[in-house]
Amino acid sequence: DGGITQSPKYLFRKEGQNVTLSCEQNLNHDAMYWYRQDPGQGLRLIYYSQIVNDFQKGDIAEGYSVSREKKESFPLTVTSAQKNPTAFYLCASSPVPRSSTDTQYFGPGTRLTVL
Amino acid sequence: SQKIEQNSEALNIQEGKTATLTCNYTNYSPAYLQWYRQDPGRGPVFLLLIRENEKEKRKERLKVTFDTTLKQSLFHITASQPADSATYLCALASGGYNKLIFGAGTRLAVHP
Repeated sequence: DGGITQSPKYLFRKEGQNVTLSCEQNLNHDAMYWYRQDPGQGLRLIYYSQIVNDFQKGDIAEGYSVSREKKESFPLTVTSAQKNPTAFYLCASSPVPRSSTDTQYFGPGTRLTVL
Repeated sequence: SQKIEQNSEALNIQEGKTATLTCNYTNYSPAYLQWYRQDPGRGPVFLLLIRENEKEKRKERLKVTFDTTLKQSLFHITASQPADSATYLCALASGGYNKLIFGAGTRLAVHP
């Protein structure tokens, strides 16, 4: 999981509530990403950020919001507008966003369950 | 439509044998392809990267091939061990930045 922390590991939310997932990295990476993983599906990109104070929507951004006020932090808020939020959420970072060969370093994940 | 396909069925092999996992893709022209390992309840860990102009890449007991004509990558683990049991994900580069498109993964189980 090298240098990326996510908290909490397990999160339970009632329907209609917003919840924020934490992601912190001490790798000095410029780019950070949020993915969602559902059983039998590949990781799907929610949001990504290539630099502080800038972020872009991924493939499934509806019902989610992010901020990138500091280089090391990229919190994800799951809003009540997200229809099916129960999933495993993964945060990742990479050193140079426009490199053609950068690998991504993943955190341990947060499993969100909506009750 | 663009698709990345990995065998959804688990691959069961005996310890010491070579495991071969397949990643097929359609309607992509990736500059490179990556393989990751994911253990249950944990984040993926990078294993290997192979570029479009490379046919084969090796790292210890791991070997990856990349055939852009067949639109396929094969991932081999030689002399497999029970500790190699995990889900293996392939990912393609898509777009002008480091945006990866992931397959659903193949679960490998190595039995003693």
